[in-house]
Amino acid sequence: DAKTTQPPSMDCAEGRAANLPCNHSTISGNEYVYWYRQIHSQGPQYIIHGLKNNETNEMASLIITEDRKSSTLILPHATLRDTAVYYCIVGKIYNAGNMLTFGGGTRLMVKP
Amino acid sequence: DGGITQSPKYLFRKEGQNVTLSCEQNLNHDAMYWYRQDPGQGLRLIYYSQIVNDFQKGDIAEGYSVSREKKESFPLTVTSAQKNPTAFYLCASSMSGNRNEQFFGPGTRLTVL
Repeated sequence: DAKTTQPPSMDCAEGRAANLPCNHSTISGNEYVYWYRQIHSQGPQYIIHGLKNNETNEMASLIITEDRKSSTLILPHATLRDTAVYYCIVGKIYNAGNMLTFGGGTRLMVKP
Repeated sequence: DGGITQSPKYLFRKEGQNVTLSCEQNLNHDAMYWYRQDPGQGLRLIYYSQIVNDFQKGDIAEGYSVSREKKESFPLTVTSAQKNPTAFYLCASSMSGNRNEQFFGPGTRLTVL
């Protein structure tokens, strides 16, 4: 599976949009981009995923570049509860399950 | 409530002892996974199972064993052969199909003394 590169940490002011970048220059045509987050000492939580089109759900938006070599996760109005480590992962989807490789992620600190 | 449960939350064992971590899901998911997380690091896949009575090694399977006798249960045994077993262990499950998002349990923090 392709590897991803993320900044180790970012700060964001409460109420502002948090834009978390991810590079995945070796992504292959059948690999999806997933985003998860992990709040301290808890299990990771799924946020969103996409193949090539931009995606939006109740938690976030995912913007994938046309060449699919990078993406950005957008939290439109960050709150203190969004402070977490955010993981960008690329992986294939199989008939039953998938294998995801979690890198170091980006530690997002939302400040009042 | 549907979800994944892991027990216990904290576990202490003496060096040289085998220990089994529990993972149960009532989401009717086909696939289940075990990950290990060390402080400040990402998750690493230990074992996964896509169907009952079948499982495959992940990236760091040495010193671990699993079983999948029931769809709902995927226990992980940390054996005495695992050289550095102290870590945070996370279990996850996913359903087959297009989305394949993984749902994680709360984790078990194992400390070997």
